[in-house]
Amino acid sequence: AQSVTQPDIHITVSEGASLELRCNYSYGATPYLFWYVQSPGQGLQLLLKYFSGDTLVQGIKGFEAEFKRSQSSFNLRKPSVHWSDAAEYFCAGGLTGTASKLTFGTGTRLQVTL
Amino acid sequence: DTGVSQDPRHKITKRGQNVTFRCDPISEHNRLYWYRQTLGQGPEFLTYFQNEAQLEKSRLLSDRFSAERPKGSFSTLEIQRTEQGDSAMYLCASSATATSWDRGQRNTIYFGEGSWLTVV
Repeated sequence: AQSVTQPDIHITVSEGASLELRCNYSYGATPYLFWYVQSPGQGLQLLLKYFSGDTLVQGIKGFEAEFKRSQSSFNLRKPSVHWSDAAEYFCAGGLTGTASKLTFGTGTRLQVTL
Repeated sequence: DTGVSQDPRHKITKRGQNVTFRCDPISEHNRLYWYRQTLGQGPEFLTYFQNEAQLEKSRLLSDRFSAERPKGSFSTLEIQRTEQGDSAMYLCASSATATSWDRGQRNTIYFGEGSWLTVV
């Protein structure tokens, strides 16, 4: 079965520190992969996506993610976190060629301390 | 604003009542999706349309749920005889598959702000 796993439920980092949020996927073929961010009570904002090609993907707000086939991972990174980055982050995957639906991880809540 | 629009943003209803949510996708997006998100969980797929056709429905979509997209533009999600377990945020999303779109934007799924449902 297709699945996306986010091992960390909650992460706390200091403002200015680097960040890495983990995402692992399980698909029969290479999936489309996405990272979304959600502020409390709000919808999902797309940060970045991987379809194919370059395995290092740049997104908005200074985020990047690296697709590693050998590790079935798509970890999200940011070199220097800002207090406004505090939110819930979701990794999601869809089948290559259709992207008819996404399977989401359970999310990682990021807290930023000043 | 040319993003995905949902209405109402919040709805409180009594158990047993019917509710309807509306979604207006990004203009010219031919695919429209509905997801449900409960507290502390990631969104779960409910159903999706390509133009007017409803192509897939999740097992989560019980007989009390019905979704339509009559003209291939906006969509409605109706829940009949609501139950407390229906309390959740209902998210709409859209994407474009047409080759006329920028390859980088094709199949990219954009979400709306969601419609919160509380059943009391």
